[in-house]
Amino acid sequence: DAGVIQSPRHEVTEMGQEVTLRCKPISGHDYLFWYRQTMMRGLELLIYFNNNVPIDDSGMPEDRFSAKMPNASFSTLKIQPSEPRDSAVYFCASSHSEEPPYEQYFGPGTRLTVT
Amino acid sequence: AQTVTQSQPEMSVQEAETVTLSCTYDTSESDYYLFWYKQPPSRQMILVIRQEAYKQQNATENRFSVNFQKAAKSFSLKISDSQLGDAAMYFCAYRRHTGANSKLTFGKGITLSVRP
Repeated sequence: DAGVIQSPRHEVTEMGQEVTLRCKPISGHDYLFWYRQTMMRGLELLIYFNNNVPIDDSGMPEDRFSAKMPNASFSTLKIQPSEPRDSAVYFCASSHSEEPPYEQYFGPGTRLTVT
Repeated sequence: AQTVTQSQPEMSVQEAETVTLSCTYDTSESDYYLFWYKQPPSRQMILVIRQEAYKQQNATENRFSVNFQKAAKSFSLKISDSQLGDAAMYFCAYRRHTGANSKLTFGKGITLSVRP
């Protein structure tokens, strides 16, 4: 398997623009997690899905952030409008509910810079 | 809420020597997982080692081993025979033992440099 795939690897945008980050989980995995990494806050969970349904979005910072999972092989994290404080590395991870210890496999991350 | 603390922001080790990275955590759960992840400059999060709280035996993976002290809520990583490729950020992480739906809680990380 190719592992978790994220695109783009790098994104530079101007404040106020819409940004869409993409993730393809490992085939067969039914859990998908979005994490954000910043210098100030470290790595923190934003939202996770089970079988394409959002289960816990309590980590989403504000209404400017939204995430969707239209099918088992694709998820998006959208920021609209973007702000400089959204600059971070965004990771997607996936796991399988029937494979203990339910390891979360991480993608390579998307480095977002908002100017 | 669970918290993970890595109090040392940076450490340095001579190649071929041994280094220990510290981590403490706080939880009211009795069953959980603890992890060490490595993040090299490529940013990829790489699982180094995993410890299940109900197992008393410390986990080992080749040159990597842990010292798990459940009562003290301490979970340190020992890297033996350090190599240049070990230079990276290392994150300690906690996850409840409730199945696939539990999130990872990370420490702030420690930057390890390896001197040739």
